[in-house]
Amino acid sequence: DAGVIQSPRHEVTEMGQEVTLRCKPISGHDYLFWYRQTMMRGLELLIYFNNNVPIDDSGMPEDRFSAKMPNASFSTLKIQPSEPRDSAVYFCASSRTPGTGPGANVLTFGAGSRLTVL
Amino acid sequence: KNEVEQSPQNLTAQEGEFITINCSYSVGISALHWLQQHPGGGIVSLFMLSSGKKKHGRLIATINIQEKHSSLHITASHPRDSAVYICAVKRGGSEKLVFGKGTKLTVNP
Repeated sequence: DAGVIQSPRHEVTEMGQEVTLRCKPISGHDYLFWYRQTMMRGLELLIYFNNNVPIDDSGMPEDRFSAKMPNASFSTLKIQPSEPRDSAVYFCASSRTPGTGPGANVLTFGAGSRLTVL
Repeated sequence: KNEVEQSPQNLTAQEGEFITINCSYSVGISALHWLQQHPGGGIVSLFMLSSGKKKHGRLIATINIQEKHSSLHITASHPRDSAVYICAVKRGGSEKLVFGKGTKLTVNP
């Protein structure tokens, strides 16, 4: 398996523009997580899905952020409009339900998408 | 006060030394994760544990649920172990992880 695939790896945009980050989880994983990492706040959970359904979006900063998972192999995180304070590295991660055998509950991260909003 | 506290924040060691990184948490948890973030930014899950001790190669993770404390040990440290080590806890009933700020380890040859 190619692991968790994120795109783009780097994005530089101007304030007010729409940003869409994409994630393909590992096949067979039923949990998908979006995290944000900044120097000031470290790693924070934004939202997570189970079987394509959003379970906890309490970490989504505000209405400018939205996330979707239309099917088991694809998720997007959208920021509209973007602001300079959204500059961060956004990680997607996936895992399998605990107790479903070897490797379950192992969290696999994508390489991250580094976003810079000017 | 953060729910998850790590110490030390920064650690410099000589190759071959025994390393200990500590993690304390203030809430009841169902599991604790240790993650490694390489200088290039990639994050790898090292351990997930809910009790006792786990070992993988030169890495050992222990947890004391009563004392709300976990340690990550590295034996015979090597420069390639240089990374940020992050502790994260999961509460029961949720898959949400709460992260510590990380410990930056530098191992010099």
